[in-house]
Amino acid sequence: AQSVTQLDSQVPVFEEAPVELRCNYSSSVSVYLFWYVQYPNQGLQLLLKYLSGSTLVKGINGFEAEFNKSQTSFHLRKPSVHISDTAEYFCAVSGYLGGKSTFGDGTTLTVKP
Amino acid sequence: DVKVTQSSRYLVKRTGEKVFLECVQDMDHENMFWYRQDPGLGLRLIYFSYDVKMKEKGDIPEGYSVSREKKERFSLILESASTNQTSMYLCASSTPLAGGPNTGELFFGEGSRLTVL
Repeated sequence: AQSVTQLDSQVPVFEEAPVELRCNYSSSVSVYLFWYVQYPNQGLQLLLKYLSGSTLVKGINGFEAEFNKSQTSFHLRKPSVHISDTAEYFCAVSGYLGGKSTFGDGTTLTVKP
Repeated sequence: DVKVTQSSRYLVKRTGEKVFLECVQDMDHENMFWYRQDPGLGLRLIYFSYDVKMKEKGDIPEGYSVSREKKERFSLILESASTNQTSMYLCASSTPLAGGPNTGELFFGEGSRLTVL
């Protein structure tokens, strides 16, 4: 079994400030980890993924995330946010076998001017 | 680019009606999924399919069925719609890495927002 906990349901931040969206997971097997972004009235699109190798992964739009196996975390960060980053962000985990993904409840990032 | 197309962006149906949500992907992906998205609950897996004519229940299959007659098409069916099925429905597809594992990376459609009155 696998599960994902996104620790913050809403994160308000001012433009150009740094942001961190927190994600913890649990799984009985090795995992693949993902962050997806959903803009209003759209589907989800992949922001970044960890499959193997370097624990620091970079994604689109200046986002990055660090896989921490000992803490079972995969936090998403951006050093300076823009108004256009306002969206809902989902952390997801899939097991090494089977390919089904389990999603967190989502974090709404609101960037204020 | 992978394109996943959901036939209807917005639907309004009456309680008891039969509802079909269609999803087509154009990248020859083996795996297709239907999720339901509700505020504060994230995405919950309804059904998925790893091959034509094959289906497996996800976490919340009650009240739903699916059909996969062709590789590119995966349909979600609500036999008798109820008000608690008012939701956003998201279709997704995935494929194993070339010569490698099935990582679960998903490609999503734009979503179908269903309102049942």
